[in-house]
Amino acid sequence: GEDVEQSLFLSVREGDSSVINCTYTDSSSTYLYWYKQEPGAGLQLLTYIFSNMDMKQDQRLTVLLNKKDKHLSLRIADTQTGDSAIYFCAERPGGSYIPTFGRGTSLIVHP
Amino acid sequence: ETGVTQSPTHLIKTRGQQVTLRCSSQSGHNTVSWYQQALGQGPQFIFQYYREEENGRGNFPPRFSGLQFPNYSSELNVNALELDDSALYLCASSPEGGREQYFGPGTRLTVL
Repeated sequence: GEDVEQSLFLSVREGDSSVINCTYTDSSSTYLYWYKQEPGAGLQLLTYIFSNMDMKQDQRLTVLLNKKDKHLSLRIADTQTGDSAIYFCAERPGGSYIPTFGRGTSLIVHP
Repeated sequence: ETGVTQSPTHLIKTRGQQVTLRCSSQSGHNTVSWYQQALGQGPQFIFQYYREEENGRGNFPPRFSGLQFPNYSSELNVNALELDDSALYLCASSPEGGREQYFGPGTRLTVL
């Protein structure tokens, strides 16, 4: 079955770049998602990438996919205090309705 | 355009009771999924409804059941509540064939 792993914590200084990493196990064509969850709130979809892509950029967000190592990263440029939240990586095989989420990375942005 | 809404926001129940959680999907979305998020964990998929039929289920016992209505709103029912059912329950909707899911704010269920 699928398994998604993330480091639990990341601390960065305001204005620096943040890089949040994720590894997944499914080898078939798959969708890979990044979500943001602020305290007491639901999940906000940030971006997603299909496994036939290497990179996707959307304003301050850059997603990089290394298919060989099954490694996904989310880079946030010019990190702000409002970016402090938990970031979830999720994988959904193309033929399945069922996504698998990681445990989330808590991003702390300090002045 | 109205986003995904859930009710109630918070709920406290005792072990053995039954609970019903509600979700209104985003306008134009006919697919609803339910997730359980325990403290410190990622969301776990419970099941998905498409046009009033369940079309995918995660590793949850039958006491977790659901419904989807003609207007695509949905209910999650949990019978015989256990202490471990305490969690944030999230609903997400997506359009026909959509790859993206849009989440509601969740219902925090506490079982005592």
